[in-house]
Amino acid sequence: DAGVTQSPTHLIKTRGQQVTLRCSPKSGHDTVSWYQQALGQGPQFIFQYYEEEERQRGNFPDRFSGHQFPNYSSELNVNALLLGDSALYLCASSTGLSYEQYFGPGTRLTVT
Amino acid sequence: QKEVEQNSGPLSVPEGAIASLNCTYSDRGSQSFFWYRQYSGKSPELIMFIYSNGDKEDGRFTAQLNKASQYVSLLIRDSQPSDSATYLCAATNFGNEKLTFGTGTRLTIIP
Repeated sequence: DAGVTQSPTHLIKTRGQQVTLRCSPKSGHDTVSWYQQALGQGPQFIFQYYEEEERQRGNFPDRFSGHQFPNYSSELNVNALLLGDSALYLCASSTGLSYEQYFGPGTRLTVT
Repeated sequence: QKEVEQNSGPLSVPEGAIASLNCTYSDRGSQSFFWYRQYSGKSPELIMFIYSNGDKEDGRFTAQLNKASQYVSLLIRDSQPSDSATYLCAATNFGNEKLTFGTGTRLTIIP
């Protein structure tokens, strides 16, 4: 049973560029949440997708957008990258039938 | 005031002893609480969750919840060097909705 997968593992971008991160949820899970974790901090909630709709959103600007596909996989897009967007981006999958959210390995984004 | 607060540590505990990690929360609407372990450079790994007042045990781990005091704790018995990691406390208001995390407590088990 495959767990949550994310791609790419690492990414280096320049300020002003755009980036797309990808996530495949754990088998049987239909909900995907995205979190940003800066160094030395706890993960911060970006948004959650369920049934291809954004169900909840955290305190992040519109530069952060997402999408969920019919197979429940998801993308996180960040436009006009800033140096402060450098962080570990985590995807978590879950199902409405349970409480647990399981994290993928994350994508380390560095903005120079 | 942060919604979920943890002592950042570091907390050092001798091998074989009990490690006690604490967390407080400010939102009385919080219903479920989670403990994640995060090794350096890795993603958070779910250890256990609790939503009822009292204790919940899973192997060497015991989670404790006191909603009146808005307090959650994690006890690790017979601490092992492999338990050395950052422990993240998280809360959610309902089901699998957004997790609100504390900043984490760094735990070091001393052989």
